[in-house]
Amino acid sequence: GAVVSQHPSRVICKSGTSVKIECRSLDFQATTMFWYRQFPKKSLMLMATSNEGSKATYEQGVEKDKFLINHASLTLSTLTVTSAHPEDSSFYICSARLQGHGTRYFGPGTRLTVT
Amino acid sequence: DQQVKQNSPSLSVQEGRISILNCDYTNSMFDYFLWYKKYPAEGPTFLISISSIKDKNEDGRFTVFLNKSAKHLSLHIVPSQPGDSAVYFCAATANTGNQFYFGTGTSLTVIP
Repeated sequence: GAVVSQHPSRVICKSGTSVKIECRSLDFQATTMFWYRQFPKKSLMLMATSNEGSKATYEQGVEKDKFLINHASLTLSTLTVTSAHPEDSSFYICSARLQGHGTRYFGPGTRLTVT
Repeated sequence: DQQVKQNSPSLSVQEGRISILNCDYTNSMFDYFLWYKKYPAEGPTFLISISSIKDKNEDGRFTVFLNKSAKHLSLHIVPSQPGDSAVYFCAATANTGNQFYFGTGTSLTVIP
């Protein structure tokens, strides 16, 4: 199946700093990528939809100034957590969809810990 | 509003037996359904999907059944293996849209 990578897999940062997470589609082009957050023992929560060449679409309750998304190319989307706080500590997962196809493929996730 | 529901948070099955994971949905616009497997601290892995024009799709040990009238789908794993132990999420979408709805997951444990 299609491969989606994320980097880094784990990151620890201090409160108040910013962290960038990269999501790449390795063997296909993705005009649309999705960013999810998983809380313990809960389902994946869609944060935003990242569109190549245009602004991301954020879900209700997600602060767009805090979670900056950039989709600069057909294979790369980045999520930057700005001014991180301990409550931002979570597991962040990106997903990409093959054009004209319903299946989404997920990255391996990034564990963010804010101290 | 949970449009996709997995009412069993956990399931234990003996190795070699059949595992049946269930999923219900409420939105009749959904026309494409997927099952994902997820290990802790990893992203979901796509397993199998089914379009609403079918009622069954099979891939090796995995079979997905869709009952549109009941708005219900199930994943059958047979024979179950210890390596199948993971959390399984069902998901639904309207194929042309960006909205993608996950269930809350069922944790499957296959006992050797």
